Amino acid sequence: AQSVTQLGSHVSVSEGALVLLRCNYSSSVPPYLFWYVQYPNQGLQLLLKYTSAATLVKGINGFEAEFKKSETSFHLTKPSAHMSDAAEYFCAVSGDSGTYKYIFGTGTRLKVLA
Amino acid sequence: DAGVIQSPRHEVTEMGQEVTLRCKPISGHDYLFWYRQTMMRGLELLIYFNNNVPIDDSGMPEDRFSAKMPNASFSTLKIQPSEPRDSAVYFCASSPGGGLVGELFFGEGSRLTVL
Repeated sequence: AQSVTQLGSHVSVSEGALVLLRCNYSSSVPPYLFWYVQYPNQGLQLLLKYTSAATLVKGINGFEAEFKKSETSFHLTKPSAHMSDAAEYFCAVSGDSGTYKYIFGTGTRLKVLA
Repeated sequence: DAGVIQSPRHEVTEMGQEVTLRCKPISGHDYLFWYRQTMMRGLELLIYFNNNVPIDDSGMPEDRFSAKMPNASFSTLKIQPSEPRDSAVYFCASSPGGGLVGELFFGEGSRLTVL
């Protein structure tokens, strides 16, 4: 069965510092993996996705993630945090056989300190 | 372009009342999803449709919940009777499909409070 684990429900970084949000997955088939961002009182918005092409995936707003099969990880990074990055971030994995039954992680709330 | 449109944005009701949440997906999208988000359980998939047909409703919590998609541009999620534990934010999302598992486009959600 598919699952994702996000380590750290809350992460705080200083403005300008590296952002690292961790996601580990479990999948019985080659997975599709996603990172979504949710701003207060809004729906989720796709940041980036991995669909078995390049292992380093670049997304919007300067974020990127690297698919590491050996570590079953898909961590999200950004070299320099900005105040506007404060939000909740969700990792997700596609369902069995690449179905749309996505499984979302529990989310990591990112706080950016001035 | 209009995104996924949900209504109402906020609903406050009393236990036992019927609640209907509505969703208009992005035109041309073949997939429609209903999710529920709570602090305790996170984001849960309730049901999803492909070309107006329910594909997987295993996430629907119980018989009090029902969802329909009478046409490609409209879906409803109904709770009858509502209970306080149904209080949550309900999201509708759509996806274009096309053979590759792809991006979900979310609406802004309907925040339901059942007193």
